[in-house]
Formats: sequence, structure tokens, C-alpha cells
Amino acid sequence: KAGVTQTPRYLIKTRGQQVTLSCSPISGHRSVSWYQQTPGQGLQFLFEYFSETQRNKGNFPGRFSGRQFSNSRSEMNVSTLELGDSALYLCASRWGREPAGQETQYFGPGTRLLVL
Amino acid sequence: GDSVTQMEGPVTLSEEAFLTINCTYTATGYPSLFWYVQYPGEGLQLLLKATKADDKGSNKGFEATYRKETTSFHLEKGSVQVSDSAVYFCALRGGNQFYFGTGTSLTVIP
Repeated sequence: KAGVTQTPRYLIKTRGQQVTLSCSPISGHRSVSWYQQTPGQGLQFLFEYFSETQRNKGNFPGRFSGRQFSNSRSEMNVSTLELGDSALYLCASRWGREPAGQETQYFGPGTRLLVL
Repeated sequence: GDSVTQMEGPVTLSEEAFLTINCTYTATGYPSLFWYVQYPGEGLQLLLKATKADDKGSNKGFEATYRKETTSFHLEKGSVQVSDSAVYFCALRGGNQFYFGTGTSLTVIP
């Protein structure tokens, strides 16, 4: 079974621009979560989508948004980029209806975003 | 709120040395606990997990025991290899979200 894929793998943007990242989950998985990974902050949760609906949201400004399509693929958008948005953005998928205590996420390789 | 605190790195060990990476957590209820590993240039991979108190997760020679009385989930391996060099993340599933520690970088030298 193919794993979680993310595109693009690397991206360079300038301040003020916007960017869209894509994530394709493992086949059959309906939940997709996004994380921002930086050396200083570790992994920080951005949001989770399940069946095209945002189910949970972390503490990030409104410049960060996402969506999920009917095939469970998800996109994340960051508008008005700032230097501090430079990070590795990770996507993780899971089925989404596991019994409590059985939830396990599977991560993609990430998209490394550099904002100049 | 829920959180995970793990041992600061970096950690450097010689091959065949014993490894311990400490992880403690704060959570309401009974969270599931995880260790993930991240190799250079890659995403996180699930290493092991435990879903209830006294459970022991194990994989590839790594072990961790869910200790509710000490709210800990320390990662151990009896004999590390060069190929174990990576960043290790402790995580918990609490409420409706996953929480991750800041990661511990491990380098194993021959």
C-alpha cells in the first residue's frame, strides 16, 4: 500500500507571497492532519480534516488554511508569507474512526518551505 | 492542557551502548503514547506505541513501558547501532489531538 505523499518536496518563496502544499493520504484513510516542524518549536499541530470537514484546529493565525477533497486529498495554504513560516510542513493520515486508544498517524516526507 | 516533555539532546553514543531517552507527559484521562523516529530528510515513522498503563511497546530492539504512576514513557534500547542515528519524538494522543515532544537527536558513532 502506498504511503502518504506530499508535493512539492521543496519550495522557495518570498515574503508576502502565498503557497499551497498538497498531501495525498494512504488509500482508505479519511483523516489528514498538518503539522509545522521547526528547530525551535518542534512539531506544532495546524489542523485536521476528516471527510472534507475541519475537525480540529491548532493555534495558528488565519493566514494558515486548509481543505480536503472528496478523495481525501488535502491542501494547505499559507497566505502573506513571513520569514518565520520557513519550516518543514508534515502531513499525517489515519483512518479517522479508530476505537479510542487505537489512533495511529502515518506521516509523509514533508514539504520544506523556505521564505526569503 | 496535555503536553509531552522529553529529554534534551543531542545524545551521542558509541555503537553497542545502552540508550535511554526520557519522556514524561501531562494529560487528563488515559492517553495513548507513541515514539516516532525521523531519519534525515524524511518524515516521521511510528516506532512503537502503548495504549494503556503497564503496556510495553517494542520494535526493532526498542522498548518503552507506559508508566501511569510516574507519567512516563521512556525509550530504551540495549545495544544501539550506527543506523539508529535519527531524531526521536515522544507523542501522546489526548482528547482529539496528538501532542509531540521537541525531539531528541541521537548520533551513534562506530
